[in-house]
Amino acid sequence: SQQGEEDPQALSIQEGENATMNCSYKTSINNLQWYRQNSGRGLVHLILIRSNEREKHSGRLRVTLDTSKKSSSLLITASRAADTASYFCATDAYDYKLSFGAGTTVTVRA
Amino acid sequence: DTAVSQTPKYLVTQMGNDKSIKCEQNLGHDTMYWYKQDSKKFLKIMFSYNNKELIINETVPNRFSPKSPDKAHLNLHINSLELGDSAVYFCASSPGTGSWSGELFFGEGSRLTVL
Repeated sequence: SQQGEEDPQALSIQEGENATMNCSYKTSINNLQWYRQNSGRGLVHLILIRSNEREKHSGRLRVTLDTSKKSSSLLITASRAADTASYFCATDAYDYKLSFGAGTTVTVRA
Repeated sequence: DTAVSQTPKYLVTQMGNDKSIKCEQNLGHDTMYWYKQDSKKFLKIMFSYNNKELIINETVPNRFSPKSPDKAHLNLHINSLELGDSAVYFCASSPGTGSWSGELFFGEGSRLTVL
């Protein structure tokens, strides 16, 4: 069954703006991860946040995790055309796998 | 060198045929996976192997048979292909052991079209 659900499904922003997407999940987790998928390509790992962490940064990416609300957010600051992609959250619920949502499609307009 | 490579990248075939997709990773990881991505981009796990041992078989029809000859390879054979099998199939590997998944490294995907 689907564990993570991303919101919104699609997002269109101007270059230089920030993009925020959210992920909700259903069960207790060990960690939550975010991935990017460019059109026609495989998924690429962006960032991992453990269940005992609340916020993590990596370059222009900021991830938050609220285990009480079972939700996470991914913020991309100062977006670029190259950030156009689908972004997926994935949860590790101690069950030998990562469970993915259907992703948020981000389009960055020049 | 490509870390996780899968072949073929594209596969077009008729209903009822049998086909295979191969995957190899050169990362030294113990765990490998097959995921299926449908037309709505939803990614669903199919199988997971840890050091050649099947760990996860996620209610996949038995027409799908994974095989892991060694921990660097995980192949997927599909019998009697159906229209609903059309999707992109991704192979992935991770350094995770036990119930710890770790970061996944994905191949570029194999797009299967069943006519």
